[in-house]
Amino acid sequence: EDQVTQSPEALRLQEGESSSLNCSYTVSGLRGLFWYRQDPGKGPEFLFTLYSAGEEKEKERLKATLTKKESFLHITAPKPEDSATYLCASYGGATNKLIFGTGTLLAVQP
Amino acid sequence: NAGVMQNPRHLVRRRGQEARLRCSPMKGHSHVYWYRQLPEEGLKFMVYLQKENIIDESGMPKERFSAEFPKEGPSILRIQQVVRGDSAAYFCASSPQGGADEQYFGPGTRLTVT
Repeated sequence: EDQVTQSPEALRLQEGESSSLNCSYTVSGLRGLFWYRQDPGKGPEFLFTLYSAGEEKEKERLKATLTKKESFLHITAPKPEDSATYLCASYGGATNKLIFGTGTLLAVQP
Repeated sequence: NAGVMQNPRHLVRRRGQEARLRCSPMKGHSHVYWYRQLPEEGLKFMVYLQKENIIDESGMPKERFSAEFPKEGPSILRIQQVVRGDSAAYFCASSPQGGADEQYFGPGTRLTVT
């Protein structure tokens, strides 16, 4: 069964303290790996799509990378406004649906 | 360019009533997806629709739940005879081409069943 697992469940950082979030996936025939940001009470906000191992994408302080088994979301010098839940989702196999992990709750303290 | 719109944002229903959730996709998007998010759980796929067609409803409970995306107007997720376990946030997403295209989410409808 296709599955996406995110770690850690929660992460607390000091402002400026860089770190990485992990997303492990078991999907036969991955066709896309997605990262979203979700603020409390709001819908997920699209960040990145990665399509093949070795691919990297950047946006401001965020960089997403992809291997054959996992994806990382690197956060460089985070700010308090980066505090949110970060969701990872896979798309692949014979399905027509995104399979989401349960997310990493990031808190960045000033 | 307006994003995905959902209404109502909050809906309170008593057990046994019907709930209707509406979703207007982004302009130019003809693929709509519905997801449910329970407290402490991840987003779970429910149904994927294109105009006038249900493409994949494998995530939707077989009873009480139905979805449509008519030729004109918004997509509708209908829950009949709601029960307390239906209380959740329901999100709609749209994409221009389907497949591994990016899905853009609406703000969600928070359903509370009393």
